[in-house]
Amino acid sequence: SQQGEEDPQALSIQEGENATMNCSYKTSINNLQWYRQNSGRGLVHLILIRSNEREKHSGRLRVTLDTSKKSSSLLITASRAADTASYFCATDAEGGSYIPTFGRGTSLIVHP
Amino acid sequence: KAGVTQTPRYLIKTRGQQVTLSCSPISGHRSVSWYQQTPGQGLQFLFEYFSETQRNKGNFPGRFSGRQFSNSRSEMNVSTLELGDSALYLCASSLHQRGTGETQYFGPGTRLLVL
Repeated sequence: SQQGEEDPQALSIQEGENATMNCSYKTSINNLQWYRQNSGRGLVHLILIRSNEREKHSGRLRVTLDTSKKSSSLLITASRAADTASYFCATDAEGGSYIPTFGRGTSLIVHP
Repeated sequence: KAGVTQTPRYLIKTRGQQVTLSCSPISGHRSVSWYQQTPGQGLQFLFEYFSETQRNKGNFPGRFSGRQFSNSRSEMNVSTLELGDSALYLCASSLHQRGTGETQYFGPGTRLLVL
């Protein structure tokens, strides 16, 4: 079963609006990463947040991590049409299990 | 630096055949991981190679195998292809062994269609 599950499955917004995606996971983790994938292509690493961190920023991206709720959120501010893509969270489980587990992704469409 | 390259980009095979996919990591990267992406199962980890040794393996049958060469290039082989093996196969490289918070850089993928 998937360790990470993104919510919502699909999100449609207008350019300039903010987009928020959530990720829930099941077991304790060492870190959580967010990736972007443009249609049918490779993944692009966006940001990594470690289990002892609560929030990280990178440009228009803001990621939060709540280990007590086993959840993370990705906020994209002032979205652009070029942000249209699928977004995935991936977790590395605690305890030395280096098998990453991806969620099914959130499909984001930003209308110009 | 050149990014991760994968060849071929597209491939059509028939059931029962075997296939070999190739991945060239970013220069200097020693870890190569392989992933399978399908609409039904999403992204799943196949295996990771680091310094020519398989370090981690996902939950896939023995028909899926791989290897890494001394120049860090990696190949993945799938024998006795099944229809369900149709997928986008992604390769990712990183400087060090993954799982330490290392950033992975993905290639564009090889899209395999099994008829």
